[in-house]
Amino acid sequence: DSGVTQTPKHLITATGQRVTLRCSPRSGDLSVYWYQQSLDQGLQFLIQYYNGEERAKGNILERFSAQQFPDLHSELNLSSLELGDSALYFCASSRKREYNIDTQYFGPGTRLTVL
Amino acid sequence: EDQVTQSPEALRLQEGESSSLNCSYTVSGLRGLFWYRQDPGKGPEFLFTLYSAGEEKEKERLKATLTKKESFLHITAPKPEDSATYLCAVQAIRGQNFVFGPGTRLSVLP
Repeated sequence: DSGVTQTPKHLITATGQRVTLRCSPRSGDLSVYWYQQSLDQGLQFLIQYYNGEERAKGNILERFSAQQFPDLHSELNLSSLELGDSALYFCASSRKREYNIDTQYFGPGTRLTVL
Repeated sequence: EDQVTQSPEALRLQEGESSSLNCSYTVSGLRGLFWYRQDPGKGPEFLFTLYSAGEEKEKERLKATLTKKESFLHITAPKPEDSATYLCAVQAIRGQNFVFGPGTRLSVLP
């Protein structure tokens, strides 16, 4: 158990809908990262937050957004869902100050199925 | 652009048959290289962090090494429970993002 929690574990929804995925980082971790993992693309970095502020963006679609709250939990919002958005979404967290090398610890993931 | 490749894509071993997985990377200034293990449908589990060429780390049957262009994950006398996908990731000096390789899917047969 990495100490990172994600809810829900599974999510089934229809095209065009909007969903919110939630992540609680390990105690004391300030950075939260979101990743998407689909069968044909591996782990793709989406976005990173550090202590409430956006720090880095990867291959995140405009239909997706995220935020990190004062208690450091984070939410990933996915809107206007398409079939291709079906994937595993992982959250990871790390402890140290920004720009230092730091290991990321991953949560168990949320499996999103768009029908 | 930072890139990570892993080989082989898949590997089948008999229990006790040692082997190595390769991770080759291209990055403009390496801050760190990370190995993770991932079981199907689960989150990646951290194994090792390597910082500089020549560094080695060990954990049970696994040993990770690092050169300037690649890293190897050596598996000694593997057991069926070592079956998983092994992911390699790099972090560049100029940023915090991890770039993951596609992984090597390891199957250890009893």
